[in-house]
Amino acid sequence: GAVVSQHPSRVICKSGTSVKIECRSLDFQATTMFWYRQFPKKSLMLMATSNEGSKATYEQGVEKDKFLINHASLTLSTLTVTSAHPEDSSFYICSASNPGVNYGYTFGSGTRLTVV
Amino acid sequence: KNQVEQSPQSLIILEGKNCTLQCNYTVSPFSNLRWYKQDTGRGPVSLTIMTFSENTKSNGRYTATLDADTKQSSLHITASQLSDSASYICVVSPSNDYKLSFGAGTTVTVRA
Repeated sequence: GAVVSQHPSRVICKSGTSVKIECRSLDFQATTMFWYRQFPKKSLMLMATSNEGSKATYEQGVEKDKFLINHASLTLSTLTVTSAHPEDSSFYICSASNPGVNYGYTFGSGTRLTVV
Repeated sequence: KNQVEQSPQSLIILEGKNCTLQCNYTVSPFSNLRWYKQDTGRGPVSLTIMTFSENTKSNGRYTATLDADTKQSSLHITASQLSDSASYICVVSPSNDYKLSFGAGTTVTVRA
């Protein structure tokens, strides 16, 4: 089945530093990947849609300069949280769209970011 | 506005018992509805996907139903196990947009 690998699973960083999260589709090509943020006991909130070879589309209220998204290949998208602050601490999840697999949206395992 | 509402917000059941989770949606036009299981600190894992023409789908001890007329779905867990403790999320996809609509989830706790 479709597998999406997300790394790291957990990261702790100091305020002001940047953190990169990787999302890879392991056994299929993903022209579109999605980045979500999830607060405790809340639903997933779409942050941005990442399209291979083009600029990401950000949802309203999401700062594109803070959350840099790169989708340089059909199997890799990265989310970089720049100049991280404690309020950026959250659970970040990516998903990849695989239209060839019965309306497939496969999620990564998530990244717990803690900014101290 | 496309919305997905789940109930109950949380429930506790004894190991071996059954339970049913509910999902009501207003997403239109409708394409498909999915149920995901999300363990704490992990990403969602797909349980079932149903399109307009399907009204029931099973995956092991999980059985989902869909009534596209009333825009309601349910997820039934049979003979619950401790490993079923998780959040169960209902996700609806419109046919005219790539964006998914997520429910807030139902947290299920199975106790021995």
